[in-house]
Amino acid sequence: GAGVSQSPSNKVTEKGKDVELRCDPISGHTALYWYRQSLGQGLEFLIYFQGNSAPDKSGLPSDRFSAERTGGSVSTLTIQRTQQEDSAVYLCASSLTGLAQWNEQFFGPGTRLTVL
Amino acid sequence: SQQGEEDPQALSIQEGENATMNCSYKTSINNLQWYRQNSGRGLVHLILIRSNEREKHSGRLRVTLDTSKKSSSLLITASRAADTASYFCATGDNAGNNRKLIWGLGTSLAVNP
Repeated sequence: GAGVSQSPSNKVTEKGKDVELRCDPISGHTALYWYRQSLGQGLEFLIYFQGNSAPDKSGLPSDRFSAERTGGSVSTLTIQRTQQEDSAVYLCASSLTGLAQWNEQFFGPGTRLTVL
Repeated sequence: SQQGEEDPQALSIQEGENATMNCSYKTSINNLQWYRQNSGRGLVHLILIRSNEREKHSGRLRVTLDTSKKSSSLLITASRAADTASYFCATGDNAGNNRKLIWGLGTSLAVNP
């Protein structure tokens, strides 16, 4: 079946502009995660959605970052007033549930964001 | 914060040789996972080992976990050029949820034909 998809694959924007990144998780997966990966680095947790529960936003680096998940499926990560340090690859992942202890996460191909 | 620390940071071997990567972590964990990332297939889950397990196999992969030393190793046997990738360990916290897997910085493996 289809995996996790993300769009756009690449986004170049100017400093100060807002951007929206989209994630389509695997159908039936109730848990959705956003991560950020800077060049040569590991993954930095941003936000987590589980079903209809309130999201865990503890990883968002500033109030310029926000995310929504509509209808328990598609998610949008919004970065307002982008800064150059926001440049990174933004990865989305989904899993059957985030509540079980051993569910693997399935990752999308990522969106490479470049802020000029 | 990055809990897992992989070593070596980079590894270069010849096809057919074995590759061993290590991961150390700081806090109590429920499970430890290894992922592979390359440009072709993105980030892919390889294997998960639970805190009460000591060794696990999957094909050419062998993972060990030593909770007393807070460390894990990933062994790839009979390596192939297609194994060239970055390998990350990620730990699930002791509360038993995987909401915030803590990721290491990765080991970059190059398998030369």
